[in-house]
Amino acid sequence: AQSVTQLDSHVSVSEGTPVLLRCNYSSSYSPSLFWYVQHPNKGLQLLLKYTSAATLVKGINGFEAEFKKSETSFHLTKPSAHMSDAAEYFCVVSEGLNNAGNMLTFGGGTRLMVKP
Amino acid sequence: DGGITQSPKYLFRKEGQNVTLSCEQNLNHDAMYWYRQDPGQGLRLIYYSQIVNDFQKGDIAEGYSVSREKKESFPLTVTSAQKNPTAFYLCASRVKRDTGELFFGEGSRLTVL
Repeated sequence: AQSVTQLDSHVSVSEGTPVLLRCNYSSSYSPSLFWYVQHPNKGLQLLLKYTSAATLVKGINGFEAEFKKSETSFHLTKPSAHMSDAAEYFCVVSEGLNNAGNMLTFGGGTRLMVKP
Repeated sequence: DGGITQSPKYLFRKEGQNVTLSCEQNLNHDAMYWYRQDPGQGLRLIYYSQIVNDFQKGDIAEGYSVSREKKESFPLTVTSAQKNPTAFYLCASRVKRDTGELFFGEGSRLTVL
């Protein structure tokens, strides 16, 4: 069975400082991994995805994430936070063809706050 | 533009009433999903469908029903049996059940008065 743990429910940074949102996963098969962002009262928007190609994945709005199989991690980073980055972030894992069920598991979310 | 349309965006319901939330996609995706989101919490899966005329219960299906008569449509009915229906509901779709990312609608906020 697969699972996703977002290690911090809340992260607070100052504008212009780096952002690190942590995600650990467990999966029996070769997973695909995603990061989504959600602004208040909105749907989720895809930031980036890992699908077994390059382990360092670049996404929109300056975000990137590195897939580390040995550490079962997929942490999201950004060099310099902007006020508009304040939102909820979700890490999602999707297993491969051997899983006959739903195949998608969401982390509990991390709320990013950006201080001026 | 291709995407997912949810309606209505806001809905108020009296206790004991059923209500149906609409979800339409023009992405030609096979798989569609309904999630529930409560304040400060993550997403919980209600129902999903991998193909027309077929759907499966998710983790919190009690008090909800769905249909998938057309590929592009996956309406969710919140019945009077749902004890705590006030929540934010999100519809999503995916190319196939095991391929690609989820595309989300803008959500529907249901409030029971």
